[in-house]
Amino acid sequence: GENVEQHPSTLSVQEGDSAVIKCTYSDSASNYFPWYKQELGKGPQLIIDIRSNVGEKKDQRIAVTLNKTAKHFSLHITETQPEDSAVYFCAAQNGGYQKVTFGTGTKLQVIP
Amino acid sequence: SQTIHQWPATLVQPVGSPLSLECTVEGTSNPNLYWYRQAAGRGLQLLFYSIGIDQISSEVPQNLSASRPQDRQFILSSKKLLLSDSGFYLCAWRGTGWSGYTFGSGTRLTVV
Repeated sequence: GENVEQHPSTLSVQEGDSAVIKCTYSDSASNYFPWYKQELGKGPQLIIDIRSNVGEKKDQRIAVTLNKTAKHFSLHITETQPEDSAVYFCAAQNGGYQKVTFGTGTKLQVIP
Repeated sequence: SQTIHQWPATLVQPVGSPLSLECTVEGTSNPNLYWYRQAAGRGLQLLFYSIGIDQISSEVPQNLSASRPQDRQFILSSKKLLLSDSGFYLCAWRGTGWSGYTFGSGTRLTVV
């Protein structure tokens, strides 16, 4: 089955700096890669996603890049703000199937 | 628009007592429904998923069960809770193909 590794497990950055979270996956059949943000005491929320036929996608201060050859994808947050502090999960899934494999999460702390 | 409701938000139950957590989805038909559990500071563990009424797949054998009596209703149950059942329970739905999850707000269960 699919295996997703996520690094780092914790990340502290100064407000205004950039943050990068990296994930690798094992199953070449995976073709959809969403990222979720989970604030304390809440359910995860989808913040951005990328399909396997796209190399990069950007939405304001967040962007995701995908390298299919190396089987890794990354979340980039620029100009970080305190409200970006949360746990971020990457995931890999094959659009035609039901199972989604999540990474283990990254706790991001933005220091004002 | 689609919304997902999950209740209760918090629950404290004694060991050996029964459990019933309910989740309903609005604004969509025949959703794929999921129950996840998240231990404190840990990742997301898939417990059950359902692609239709009375169609339940179990991912982790344990003393929990799930039922889907109606198209947009998903229930997580236990006859006798264990201490190890404590955690944050999340209901989620997603469509088919290229789509991520929409999670509920979660239920914090503490078994004492």
